[in-house]
Amino acid sequence: KAGVTQTPRYLIKTRGQQVTLSCSPISGHRSVSWYQQTPGQGLQFLFEYFSETQRNKGNFPGRFSGRQFSNSRSEMNVSTLELGDSALYLCASSLLQRGDLDTQYFGPGTRLTVL
Amino acid sequence: LAKTTQPISMDSYEGQEVNITCSHNNIATNDYITWYQQFPSQGPRFIIQGYKTKVTNEVASLFIPADRKSSTLSLPRVSLSDTAVYYCLVAQGGNNRKLIWGLGTSLAVNP
Repeated sequence: KAGVTQTPRYLIKTRGQQVTLSCSPISGHRSVSWYQQTPGQGLQFLFEYFSETQRNKGNFPGRFSGRQFSNSRSEMNVSTLELGDSALYLCASSLLQRGDLDTQYFGPGTRLTVL
Repeated sequence: LAKTTQPISMDSYEGQEVNITCSHNNIATNDYITWYQQFPSQGPRFIIQGYKTKVTNEVASLFIPADRKSSTLSLPRVSLSDTAVYYCLVAQGGNNRKLIWGLGTSLAVNP
């Protein structure tokens, strides 16, 4: 079974631009979560989508948004990029079935550099 | 705030057993303990998860004392490829999305 895939793997943007990152979950997984990881900090939760609906949201400004499609693929968008948005953006998927321990499977990440 | 405390870094040698202990004094009744491994520029990889006593899989063992205020990840006979950052997470039903993961433990395995 194929793992979580993320595109693109690397991205360079300039301040003020906007960016869209894509994530394809493991087949059959309906939950997709997004995280930001920066040097010296741990992973920080951005948001989670389940069945095309945002289920959880972290403490990030409105410049960060996401969506999920009917095939469970997800995109996240960052508008008006700032230097501090440079990070590794990780996507994780899970089955999220009632009664199951919710194990998340992560993709390789998208390395975003804002100049 | 992170709900766990673990050492920032550890050093070991190939072939040794490595034990990484995580403190979670405020663990709740419904919380599970999960460990992840992360290599540079890759996403974290699930290693093991448990609620109490001992859990073992093909990769590692997880020891949890009766009071559940700490847990120990045990990696038997480490190799150079086990050099990575290891994260301990505590969350209800394993749902650890909204947690701040912290810096984890950076394990360096030397030849």
